[in-house]
Order: sequence, then structure tokens, then C-alpha cells
Amino acid sequence: QSVLTQPASLSGYYGQTITISCTGSRGNIGASNYVSWYQQHPGKAPKFIIYDVDKRPSGVSDRFSGSKSDETASLTISGLQVEDEADYYCCAYAGSGTFVIFGGGTKLTVL
Amino acid sequence: QVQLVESGGGVVQPGGSLSLSCAASGFTFNNVGIHWLRQAPGKGLEWVAFLNWDGSNKYHADSLKGRFAVSRDNSRDALSLQMSSLTIEDTALYYCATQATRGGWTAFDRWGQGTLVTVSS
Repeated sequence: QSVLTQPASLSGYYGQTITISCTGSRGNIGASNYVSWYQQHPGKAPKFIIYDVDKRPSGVSDRFSGSKSDETASLTISGLQVEDEADYYCCAYAGSGTFVIFGGGTKLTVL
Repeated sequence: QVQLVESGGGVVQPGGSLSLSCAASGFTFNNVGIHWLRQAPGKGLEWVAFLNWDGSNKYHADSLKGRFAVSRDNSRDALSLQMSSLTIEDTALYYCATQATRGGWTAFDRWGQGTLVTVSS
């Protein structure tokens, strides 16, 4: 059972906008802006798509955006594309001792 | 071309030990911190350990109970993960990943393809 809670699955139609939530606590998401998101296609290594809650690394599509409210972070994907079908993981800093935690992952299906 | 290549995975019996390596190329290895992460078959990601650029600061997940140890050799652009007292729960694909210049602890910007560790009798 992950410390960060994500929906196990989500689906959206091609071209639509979807949002994946990631709920933590005051000890992790609520405590800092060290929140990142990763995209993982089957059989591939994860890809870094959001850091510091809402920043995109160079080369990542601006269809991906992040936000945070209190203890919940969110990843929004606009204009869904077929290639967006993947697993998505949120990641947060949890302080010394635990350091880094992940959500359980959300499987996104593009209909 | 930036590349991280993990090696050393295999099948090991419960209670056994294994050493993983991560070889880097295409970037200045001794400028970056490196993380180890793992992913059990069909499961999510789990952070394992971090080593800063010169190896002076090491951090490991509390859940590993001191069984894992990370080290690096900047002269060879290589990182190691020594694992001992392995249990079935350690079965996973082990990744090394670089820490991005921005984003702190949770920003892993370059990943290898992973090396599979299977703990089984």
C-alpha cells in the first residue's frame, strides 16, 4: 500500500483532458514543492515529465501540467493522444528517513 | 548520447547477496547525484538509495534495514549497489537514475533500462 494515493486506472477519449490526482499528507506533499511525475510505457523505463509540482523538463510536451493544493498533487494531460496511454506515477519528498515516496501508479487508457 | 547501463542482476537464493553496477556515459558523471530505484514485477516504483556527486553523502530507504549499500567510483563513471540478506520481496527490476539539476530529491531525469534481480529458492 503506497503512502501516496492515486486512482488505479483512468480513461479518456482522444483529444480530451484528464487529471490524475495524488493524495498524500502534511508530511510529504503538504510539506514541500518536491513533487514530480513520471510516465512509464510497458517494458520501458520511467520518463521524467514534471518536477517541483508544476515545472516541465526540457522537451516535455506542454500538454502535461502539474499543480498542487494542500496535500494533493495533480497531473493534467490535455488533448489526449494515443501515445499518452501509459502508467503515471507521482513522487514526493517525505523528509529525512523515508526521503522519497511514490504513488501506486495510474494506468491511463486512451479511448 | 547520455546512457546509464545497469548490470549484475540474476537469480539468487533467499539470504544471499548480489552486487549491481551502473555504468554511465555521455555526460559528466562526477557532477551528478545518482539514485537507485526498483520496481517489483507488475508493481509500482520504490526508491532505494541515493549517493551524491562525490560519494560523501549516502542515503538508503529505512525499509531496507541496512541490507543495501551504495558506492561510486568516479574514475570509472560507475555506481554500485551491494545487496545482502536478500528476501523474496527484493525481487524487482533495479534502475539507476541521475538526479536532475533542478527538482531536488524527486527529480530523476535520466534512467537506465534496469537489471532484474530474482530472489528464489
